[in-house]
Amino acid sequence: NAGVTQTPKFRVLKTGQSMTLLCAQDMNHEYMYWYRQDPGMGLRLIHYSVGEGTTAKGEVPDGYNVSRLKKQNFLLGLESAAPSQTSVYFCASSYSRRTGQAYEQYFGPGTRLTVT
Amino acid sequence: DAKTTQPTSMDCAEGRAANLPCNHSTISGNEYVYWYRQIHSQGPQYIIHGLKNNETNEMASLIITEDRKSSTLILPHATLRDTAVYYCIVRAIYGGSQGNLIFGKGTKLSVKP
Repeated sequence: NAGVTQTPKFRVLKTGQSMTLLCAQDMNHEYMYWYRQDPGMGLRLIHYSVGEGTTAKGEVPDGYNVSRLKKQNFLLGLESAAPSQTSVYFCASSYSRRTGQAYEQYFGPGTRLTVT
Repeated sequence: DAKTTQPTSMDCAEGRAANLPCNHSTISGNEYVYWYRQIHSQGPQYIIHGLKNNETNEMASLIITEDRKSSTLILPHATLRDTAVYYCIVRAIYGGSQGNLIFGKGTKLSVKP
C-alpha cells in the first residue's frame, strides 16, 4: 500500500493564479481531510469529507474549495492564490468501515506551496 | 473539544526514557487522549491513544491520571530518530466534525547523543 500520496510536492504560484492539489489514498478510508501548516504552528483544518460526494468546512476554509468525486481522491483547489496561502498542505485519511476504526489519521508527505 | 497544555520544548539523552506531559483539565467523559508526532518536514504520525486506562504499543506508553486531567507519553528508550514535535490532542471519536484533530503547538523533543 502506498498509503496517502500528495501531488505535487512543491509548487510556486503567482498571486491570482489557480491550482489544484491532489490527495489519493489506497486504504479504502471513508474520511479525508486537508490541513495547512504555517511556520512554527500546528496544523489547521481547511476542509474535510466524510464520504464520496460530501464535503464540509473546517477551521480555515476561506479561499479554498474541495471535491470528493471518487472515494480514494480528495482535491483541494485555490481559485485565486494569495501570498497568505503560502504554507505546507497536508492531506489525511481515516476510518475504515471494515475495521470500524476511526482513531488514527494517516497523513501524506505534504505539498509546499509558495505564492509570490 | 478540550484544550491541552504542553511544554514548548524538552531535551532527552539518547537511550533514556522520554516523558512528555500534557494537561487537559477540561476533558469530557467521551473524549480520548491522542498523541501524534511530526518529524521535521514530514506529515504527522499517529503514536497512541487512550480513554482512561494506561495503554502501551510498540512505539510508546500512555499514562492517564485517574481524574483524566493529565497524561504522560513515555518513549522508553529514546533514539535520535525520536527528535520531533509531539502533539497531545483530546477529542471524541465521533462528533460533529467526524474525527477532526485540533493541533496545538506541541512539544519539541530533542534527543541528544
